[in-house]
Amino acid sequence: DTGVSQDPRHKITKRGQNVTFRCDPISEHNRLYWYRQTLGQGPEFLTYFQNEAQLEKSRLLSDRFSAERPKGSFSTLEIQRTEQGDSAMYLCASSSYRGPEQFFGPGTRLTVL
Amino acid sequence: AQSVSQHNHHVILSEAASLELGCNYSYGGTVNLFWYVQYPGQHLQLLLKYFSGDPLVKGIKGFEAEFIKSKFSFNLRKPSVQWSDTAEYFCAAASGYSSASKIIFGSGTRLSIRP
Repeated sequence: DTGVSQDPRHKITKRGQNVTFRCDPISEHNRLYWYRQTLGQGPEFLTYFQNEAQLEKSRLLSDRFSAERPKGSFSTLEIQRTEQGDSAMYLCASSSYRGPEQFFGPGTRLTVL
Repeated sequence: AQSVSQHNHHVILSEAASLELGCNYSYGGTVNLFWYVQYPGQHLQLLLKYFSGDPLVKGIKGFEAEFIKSKFSFNLRKPSVQWSDTAEYFCAAASGYSSASKIIFGSGTRLSIRP
C-alpha cells in the first residue's frame, strides 16, 4: 500500500499521560500536514511541514503539542499531559510539489480517560 | 476570517434521486476548492477539486461540482445516487496562491441513501 499510514490506529490513555503518534507520508511527498477531527466536525488544521521545516502552526496547537519531521520523511505528533478535551481523531495528510491536493491517512483515534 | 459552510448536516435520499449538497466559502483572493468523501470505516478521499479554468469540474463516481465565484459557492451534484454513496461529504478550501496551504474544511454533510 503506497498511501499515507498512521500508527497507532487507536490509543486509549489516562489523563496526564504523554502520547506520541507517527505518520508516514506517501514516499515522494515533501509536504506533511496534521489535522484534528472531533465528532460532527470537519478536520481542523494543526501544523504543516515542508521537508523537515515546520512552516505553520495553528493556535489550536497548544504548548502541550509538539510535532517533528526530523529527516523530512515520517513525522511524529506528541501530546504531553493529555486532557480529556484532547480526545479526537488525529489525521495526517501529505502532498507533493505537483499540486495542492492533500491525501489523508486513516487517522489515530485518541481517547483520554 | 477564512471559513467554509455546509448548510445541510444530514440528507436522506432514495436511490436514483438527484443530489445537490450546498457549500459556501469565505476566502480572500484566489482559492482552491475541494470535495472530500469519507465512506463508513474508511479514511478521507478526494472526490474532486477546482483550481482554475472550467468552473464545472467532474470527479470520481459520477460526481460534479460547479464553482460560482459571484455566489462564493461550490455545490456538489450527482444526477442519480446509489446506496453506495452513503458517506460523509466535506467541502474544503485552501489558498490558491500556494501549492502548499492548509485546508479549511466545512463541518460535513452526512448522506444516507435508502435502498
